[in-house]
Amino acid sequence: EDQVTQSPEALRLQEGESSSLNCSYTVSGLRGLFWYRQDPGKGPEFLFTLYSAGEEKEKERLKATLTKKESFLHITAPKPEDSATYLCAVQGSTDSWGKLQFGAGTQVVVTP
Amino acid sequence: EPEVTQTPSHQVTQMGQEVILRCVPISNHLYFYWYRQILGQKVEFLVSFYNNEISEKSEIFDDQFSVERPDGSNFTLKIRSTKLEDSAMYFCATAGGPYEQYFGPGTRLTVT
Repeated sequence: EDQVTQSPEALRLQEGESSSLNCSYTVSGLRGLFWYRQDPGKGPEFLFTLYSAGEEKEKERLKATLTKKESFLHITAPKPEDSATYLCAVQGSTDSWGKLQFGAGTQVVVTP
Repeated sequence: EPEVTQTPSHQVTQMGQEVILRCVPISNHLYFYWYRQILGQKVEFLVSFYNNEISEKSEIFDDQFSVERPDGSNFTLKIRSTKLEDSAMYFCATAGGPYEQYFGPGTRLTVT
């Protein structure tokens, strides 16, 4: 069965203190790995899609990387507005119509 | 920027009642999905819908659930006879292809 595990569960950072979030996955043929940001009481907001090992994507202070077994979301010099829960999701080759399987998320709090 | 909208934002209903949750997809998106998130838990896939029919559904999506696109714009999720355990945030997501999905803000369903 496909599985997505995110670590740590929670992360508290000082403003400017860079860190990385981990998403490890087990899936039958990865079609895509997705990162979303979720604010409390809101829907997931799309950040990145990664398709193959070695791929990297960047957006402002966020950078996502992918290996054959895991993905990292690097947050460089975070600001308080980066506080959110970051969700990782995978789509396997058997999920032909786009079903996403989500991890439990990493809750990030950035303090001034 | 185009976005997915959902109504209502919050629905309170009594156990056994029927509810209809509505979603307006991003224009020209062809793939539609419903997910739910019970408080404190992972986002879970319910159903995918393409070309006016269900493409895939999860074990959660039993006979009390149904989806349709009644007028070519709205995409609805109906729960025929709600149970206490149906209380959750319900998210609609849409995509131009079976990859990146864009989520709506969600409907909070409370069953009493």
